[in-house]
Order: sequence, then structure tokens, then C-alpha cells
Amino acid sequence: GIQVEQSPPDLILQEGANSTLRCNFSDSVNNLQWFHQNPWGQLINLFYIPSGTKQNGRLSATTVATERYSLLYISSSQTTDSGVYFCAVHPYNNNDMRFGAGTRLTVKP
Amino acid sequence: ETGVTQSPTHLIKTRGQQVTLRCSSQSGHNTVSWYQQALGQGPQFIFQYYREEENGRGNFPPRFSGLQFPNYSSELNVNALELDDSALYLCASSTRTGANSPLHFGNGTRLTVT
Repeated sequence: GIQVEQSPPDLILQEGANSTLRCNFSDSVNNLQWFHQNPWGQLINLFYIPSGTKQNGRLSATTVATERYSLLYISSSQTTDSGVYFCAVHPYNNNDMRFGAGTRLTVKP
Repeated sequence: ETGVTQSPTHLIKTRGQQVTLRCSSQSGHNTVSWYQQALGQGPQFIFQYYREEENGRGNFPPRFSGLQFPNYSSELNVNALELDDSALYLCASSTRTGANSPLHFGNGTRLTVT
């Protein structure tokens, strides 16, 4: 089945810093979504981005489907950005969303 | 707009018992998917329900079963609980099956099997 790899696995930032999270996937996909899981376990949908670039406030994402990767950019990080960021892909002809192992982000004040 | 709600929030069961978890989908959403998230891992797809029928299943044994009701709410049933079933169970709803719809998750049910 399709493999989803996220890097780095852990990231520690000082408040105000910028960061880039990466998601590589091993096969063509129908769509890709980025999620943030807060310390209480709630998964929030950040971006639905099968290709191209989207921005939402301090966050933006770019997916290059032909090269099988996606990037999540976080600018001017805040302590509330802490948590785990997951990339999930949807293979063709399948209802199974495959999640990566996540990037655990800690933003220190 | 009402989001995805799950109940209960926490549950402790004994090995061999049965459990039912419940999910109400976000208003306007007709598709419900269930995921299992073990500690320190990403969520794993269990199955999806659309129009009250299973519409795709992940690599989970038959003792994991589900239902969807006419109001689009859903249940996840797990029989003969095993210690490895301890996890966070997440329900997600969407407006369509397949790939072309963002997933919206509930807060999850944390199941502990002792």
C-alpha cells in the first residue's frame, strides 16, 4: 500500500520562529489533507490540498503532486501551534485515508 | 452549524467484553468514517459508512463492525475486546464519499482495555 512519510518527527521552536514540515508519499493520490492534533486529541482540518498552494493566516501549504510531496509552512509560530501535525493522503479507487506518523511541534514562549 | 460529536469521551472495559461507540456527524454530512489511533501513531482507517452501508474497510478483523442510521449518525462496535484495542477512536464526517471532500473529526473516544 501507499507509504506516507513525514519529517521531521519532532521539532522544537522558539515563539516567533518559522518552520517547514514535509510529507512524502509513495504513489499518486487523489487528495491530500493536513491536520493539527491539539494536546487534547482533537484533529483539526487545516488544508484540503491535492495540488497547488493555499494560505490561511500564518499557515500555508503547497502540494507538488507530480513529485509526490507536500509542505506545510508555519510562520511566526505561537505556543498554541504546539501539537502534532499529520499529513493524510487518499489513494485512487480507495476510501482509505492514509496518515503519516506525524510531526510533533513544540513552541516555547 | 453543529460539529461532529462522539460519546462517550472515555471508557474502560475488560478484555473479552464488547463496546459500542457513538458518533453524530456534522450537519449536512452524509458520510462517516471511523479511525483508530494508538498512542504515538497516526490514525488508521477502520471503515466508512454511506447511505447506511459499509463503503470501504481497512485492515481490521470482523469483530470491528458498524452501523449508520437514517440521520447519518453512526456506531462502532467492537466484540471480544483485546488489550491492543486500547486507543483513541475517532469519527470523521464528510459531505461525500471518496476523495473529494475534507474530513471533519470529532474529539474522539479514549478506550482503555484492561
